[in-house]
Amino acid sequence: AQSVTQLDSQVPVFEEAPVELRCNYSSSVSVYLFWYVQYPNQGLQLLLKYLSGSTLVKGINGFEAEFNKSQTSFHLRKPSVHISDTAEYFCAVRENTNAGKSTFGDGTTLTVKP
Amino acid sequence: EAGVTQSPTHLIKTRGQQATLRCSPISGHTSVYWYQQALGLGLQFLLWYDEGEERNRGNFPPRFSGRQFPNYSSELNVNALELEDSALYLCASGGQGRYEQYFGPGTRLTVT
Repeated sequence: AQSVTQLDSQVPVFEEAPVELRCNYSSSVSVYLFWYVQYPNQGLQLLLKYLSGSTLVKGINGFEAEFNKSQTSFHLRKPSVHISDTAEYFCAVRENTNAGKSTFGDGTTLTVKP
Repeated sequence: EAGVTQSPTHLIKTRGQQATLRCSPISGHTSVYWYQQALGLGLQFLLWYDEGEERNRGNFPPRFSGRQFPNYSSELNVNALELEDSALYLCASGGQGRYEQYFGPGTRLTVT
């Protein structure tokens, strides 16, 4: 069975500072990895995805993530955050099987302060 | 391109009643996924429909059920509502052979 651990439940940062949101996963098979963002009272929006190929993936809004197979991690980074990045961020794993479902981490609340 | 739509936005029911939630996927997507996002419990996988068939379900009791119609839209039914069913229910759609999911805005179900 797959599992996802987001290592920080809350991350406060100042505007224009860099940020890293950490995600570790566990699975017995190969996986696809995703980061989603959820703004208050909204659904989830896909930020970026790793399916195969280059381990550094770039997404929307200036975010990027690096897949590290040996450490089973998929950390999300942004070099300079804005107030508008304040939201909840979810890491998700989908196994390369026919199960279809994605398993989500518990989320990290990013709060960007002026 | 229109995104995933869900209706209603909000739904208030009393214990023991039934709730019906609806989802329309992105045009061309054949898969619909349902998730429950309850306070403090994160996103929990409920159901996956593809090409009109139920392909997988999460660890939820049988009173959670649904179906997918020929136009790929989907319905989630929750029977015998309990207070702990209060949550945001999210629908996502996915294209054939694609692994990412695109989410709708959700239906907020409140059981009193």
